[in-house]
Amino acid sequence: DAGITQSPRHKVTETGTPVTLRCHQTENHRYMYWYRQDPGHGLRLIHYSYGVKDTDKGEVSDGYSVSRSKTEDFLLTLESATSSQTSVYFCAISEDSSGNTIYFGEGSWLTVV
Amino acid sequence: GNSVTQMEGPVTLSEEAFLTINCTYTATGYPSLFWYVQYPGEGLQLLLKATKADDKGSNKGFEATYRKETTSFHLEKGSVQVSDSAVYFCALKNTGFQKLVFGTGTRLLVSP
Repeated sequence: DAGITQSPRHKVTETGTPVTLRCHQTENHRYMYWYRQDPGHGLRLIHYSYGVKDTDKGEVSDGYSVSRSKTEDFLLTLESATSSQTSVYFCAISEDSSGNTIYFGEGSWLTVV
Repeated sequence: GNSVTQMEGPVTLSEEAFLTINCTYTATGYPSLFWYVQYPGEGLQLLLKATKADDKGSNKGFEATYRKETTSFHLEKGSVQVSDSAVYFCALKNTGFQKLVFGTGTRLLVSP
């Protein structure tokens, strides 16, 4: 198994509160990604990183921000959580520039009430 | 743009039945194609991949052939087991981009 740890694994929060999800890897991989998984949509990319302090938006980035101050950590922040952000969030990593092998974490279940 | 279309689920089979899950794609250039599997409560695991036309990816009895002429990458297994019950995602990654584009997933339920 790829060394990816997501925290928290489960969280319930109230609308309007900030939430930060953490992804920690022990593989020293350059590329890291945040996806959300919703019924009928599969997985959609939120943000990704191609190095320390280098990040870019994915297809569903509105309402989310990310930071990567160290190779091993990639943080996803919901500045003001909304019910539409209730989802399962997956972190992923890849080693090389081809991105042909991407490993996923176990997911973080977030409920916004 | 790039997109992946999978057959609607759930697919319900009896043990030892033959499995096909259809996947077609739209992409510019020459994408790499993947099948991922997600078991209940877990993250996605790479099942198999193919990086160029006519390549066949295979793993754990599953296989899929990259068909450029029909833009398809159908997943097959000759004899499914109860332990194969999971959600299967088809995905593509286009040349030069790091991002995977996923289909909506197909749930497979195998009964004894």
